[in-house]
Amino acid sequence: DQQVKQNSPSLSVQEGRISILNCDYTNSMFDYFLWYKKYPAEGPTFLISISSIKDKNEDGRFTVFLNKSAKHLSLHIVPSQPGDSAVYFCAASDRSNTGKLIFGQGTTLQVKP
Amino acid sequence: EAEVAQSPRYKITEKSQAVAFWCDPISGHATLYWYRQILGQGPELLVQFQDESVVDDSQLPKDRFSAERLKGVDSTLKIQPAELGDSAMYLCASSPTGTGGETQYFGPGTRLLVL
Repeated sequence: DQQVKQNSPSLSVQEGRISILNCDYTNSMFDYFLWYKKYPAEGPTFLISISSIKDKNEDGRFTVFLNKSAKHLSLHIVPSQPGDSAVYFCAASDRSNTGKLIFGQGTTLQVKP
Repeated sequence: EAEVAQSPRYKITEKSQAVAFWCDPISGHATLYWYRQILGQGPELLVQFQDESVVDDSQLPKDRFSAERLKGVDSTLKIQPAELGDSAMYLCASSPTGTGGETQYFGPGTRLLVL
């Protein structure tokens, strides 16, 4: 049972344009969501997070949107840069639990110069 | 900037052999996690420690995997005997308190290949 799903395995965008990565979840107990970025042969690097009490969080070029009714979150990268090319994972946790993160399968983003 | 350290970075072994991975979390972080990431999938939690105590090992294959964090600082994950299906990236992460809503910081991982 995949509680966190990233249905797009890959995404390709042109440099300077917007990248939108999507994530869906099924567990209504999830109340904290994170996005991680992963380069080959490296561990995931934390990007941005959002609590369920918010519907938007912004950090520089990265914005995460949360739609609780749809159980959907998205990561927007504007403008996209070639260095953003990586695998992006969304993760979710239930704050009343142990803090365990449930990850999606990942989306490979390619930003073309 | 403080980082999570892991070693070795790469390990090649034959099936039925024993392997061990080491992790040193960010100083002061009480909670340590071991994840396994199979190619094409997201990381999956194997075991979570709060100080030296196991909080969650529900996904750890206990017939062959073991983990310890004896002094509540660094940790070792062992596989004995290794099987072909154990080939994966093993990631260690740490967080300050382990409570929900907290960012986990990952190390570079150990890539295991079982032949």
